[in-house]
Amino acid sequence: DAGVTQSPTHLIKTRGQQVTLRCSPISGHKSVSWYQQVLGQGPQFIFQYYEKEERGRGNFPDRFSARQFPNYSSELNVNALLLGDSALYLCASSSNTPGESRPLHFGNGTRLTVT
Amino acid sequence: GESVGLHLPTLSVQEGDNSIINCAYSNSASDYFIWYKQESGKGPQFIIDIRSNMDKRQGQRVTVLLNKTVKHLSLQIAATQPGDSAVYFCAERGKGYNKLIFGAGTRLAVHP
Repeated sequence: DAGVTQSPTHLIKTRGQQVTLRCSPISGHKSVSWYQQVLGQGPQFIFQYYEKEERGRGNFPDRFSARQFPNYSSELNVNALLLGDSALYLCASSSNTPGESRPLHFGNGTRLTVT
Repeated sequence: GESVGLHLPTLSVQEGDNSIINCAYSNSASDYFIWYKQESGKGPQFIIDIRSNMDKRQGQRVTVLLNKTVKHLSLQIAATQPGDSAVYFCAERGKGYNKLIFGAGTRLAVHP
């Protein structure tokens, strides 16, 4: 079975532009989460979606938004890009319902560079 | 690929030795903990997890120990191999929350 897949793998944007990142979860997983990983640090939580509803949001500005589709795939949108948005954006899926204790499985991320 | 954890603390071990990676977590209410391994250019890979009602759990060549009294988590890797070289992160989930909070990470360097 395929793992979590993310596209694109790399992206270069300029300040002020908008970007959309895509994620397909492991088959059968209904929960998708997004994390931002700045070089040299651990991933930071951005969003969690379960059954197409937002179930959690991290400490990120409103320029960050996401959605989950009926097939459980997800998109992360970032508007008005800043240099500080340069990071590895990770998508993770899990088979748990909210509150259950099951691990997140991560994709290999999208490397976003803002110039 | 991109280098993960350029300025992280590093644990250097000889191939075949046992490795112990430590992690202090922040929230005494956290009820679930996970260890991840991250290689350059890749996303974090699940290694092992443990719930707060346990203090030890074993997997293949790995053991996680949880000490709730001092909010400490450790990952033991037996017979460390060159393929174990990576950055290791612990993550905690607070009770009632859906997000994972990651630690700063430790780089494990295995020397032949």
